[in-house]
Amino acid sequence: DGGITQSPKYLFRKEGQNVTLSCEQNLNHDAMYWYRQDPGQGLRLIYYSQIVNDFQKGDIAEGYSVSREKKESFPLTVTSAQKNPTAFYLCASMPTDHSNQPQHFGDGTRLSIL
Amino acid sequence: GEDVEQSLFLSVREGDSSVINCTYTDSSSTYLYWYKQEPGAGLQLLTYIFSNMDMKQDQRLTVLLNKKDKHLSLRIADTQTGDSAIYFCAESLYNFNKFYFGSGTKLNVKP
Repeated sequence: DGGITQSPKYLFRKEGQNVTLSCEQNLNHDAMYWYRQDPGQGLRLIYYSQIVNDFQKGDIAEGYSVSREKKESFPLTVTSAQKNPTAFYLCASMPTDHSNQPQHFGDGTRLSIL
Repeated sequence: GEDVEQSLFLSVREGDSSVINCTYTDSSSTYLYWYKQEPGAGLQLLTYIFSNMDMKQDQRLTVLLNKKDKHLSLRIADTQTGDSAIYFCAESLYNFNKFYFGSGTKLNVKP
């Protein structure tokens, strides 16, 4: 079955530490996205990539970094510069063929501070 | 960025209809979507409507779009306890590749 896999489901970060969240898709989608979700708030876009080896900052990119070396993979690194990283992180993908395809989502990673 | 707004909470009794409302600001929206999120999970697409349509029905779900007022609603008929979740509306703009999400409406269905 095609889908988006995020791992791990739960992640803990110590002060000053970088952590990397994994997102893999086998839907053959060109575009991939990272969102942050805080309680009572909608999804805020961190980074997105429309093609391999290219990505753009979203609305809240500070303290985060990404790479897109393969079409299937779009890992997100939460750096020590992100002072309030505790949140639920969602990865999504979609094709870029200007059809009516919606974004498909993974099941999320919950990041907490130790 | 674009502004998509929803009320935060809605409480209904099992068997009643639920109506979740959403307003958006950008008139160049092409598609509007409704997603459902259960606790600790990702977003699941429920339905979507193209911006030149007024209404779309899909089993218990009815989507109404008032493009003049930039108002979108989702009606769930015969609401069940399994419908308890957070519902997000989202719009995609002319370039299709960015979505803008509302803050989500938490639907609580009482038995």
